[in-house]
Amino acid sequence: IQLTQSPSSLSASVGDRVTITCRASRGISSYLAWYQQKPGKAPKLLISAASTLQSGVPSRFSGSGSGADFTLTISSLQPEDFATYYCQQLNSYPRTFGQGTKLEIK
Amino acid sequence: QVQLVESGGGVVQPGRSLRLSCAASGFTLSNYGMHWVRQAPGKGLEWVAVISFDGSDKYYADSVKGRFTISRDTSKNTLYLQMNSLRTEDTAMFYCAKVSLGFGAIHMPDAFDVWGQGTMVTVSS
Repeated sequence: IQLTQSPSSLSASVGDRVTITCRASRGISSYLAWYQQKPGKAPKLLISAASTLQSGVPSRFSGSGSGADFTLTISSLQPEDFATYYCQQLNSYPRTFGQGTKLEIK
Repeated sequence: QVQLVESGGGVVQPGRSLRLSCAASGFTLSNYGMHWVRQAPGKGLEWVAVISFDGSDKYYADSVKGRFTISRDTSKNTLYLQMNSLRTEDTAMFYCAKVSLGFGAIHMPDAFDVWGQGTMVTVSS
């Protein structure tokens, strides 16, 4: 299963609302996770099962979608949110990732 | 505190072997499925391999199948990745990661909730 994220990069300002899209090459129910990765660090799980926020993750992050189309939304960008975001499908093996979306400061 | 610490990376010539280790603490490795994920310099994440919580099932990415072997030592609470016939395109940071739910079947749609800090593998002549 291939995952295509859009956009590949995004410039935004603190306080902006941002949406990242992940499209699967076939339906994966709600078996999708979102991760955040900062330079030189390991990925961090933000959302599982398409919309379940992990403990400790700020509520400005939210996920939605099912089937083949999914979105990650950050309601009001904070300085610490500038990072690269990856979606990952958990429907089948291999557990593929999207190519990533780099969120940069405008 | 749940933690994963990888080791064993380094510089190796093409065709040679390397074994990565991932030491787990704060939880029992044999209760969770475990994965290896890699990231080539400046590139995205690539899933590599998985071992089920009971060690009975394993899956590999096509790019490493037949060359890499995932295993674990429950007495040491440590996960391994044996990498043989290394290629230049295997150059990457390698991360181990655990799934969030214990005792789940290997096909359960379980996200990776804890990651190690990574160990760098460079394959170069």
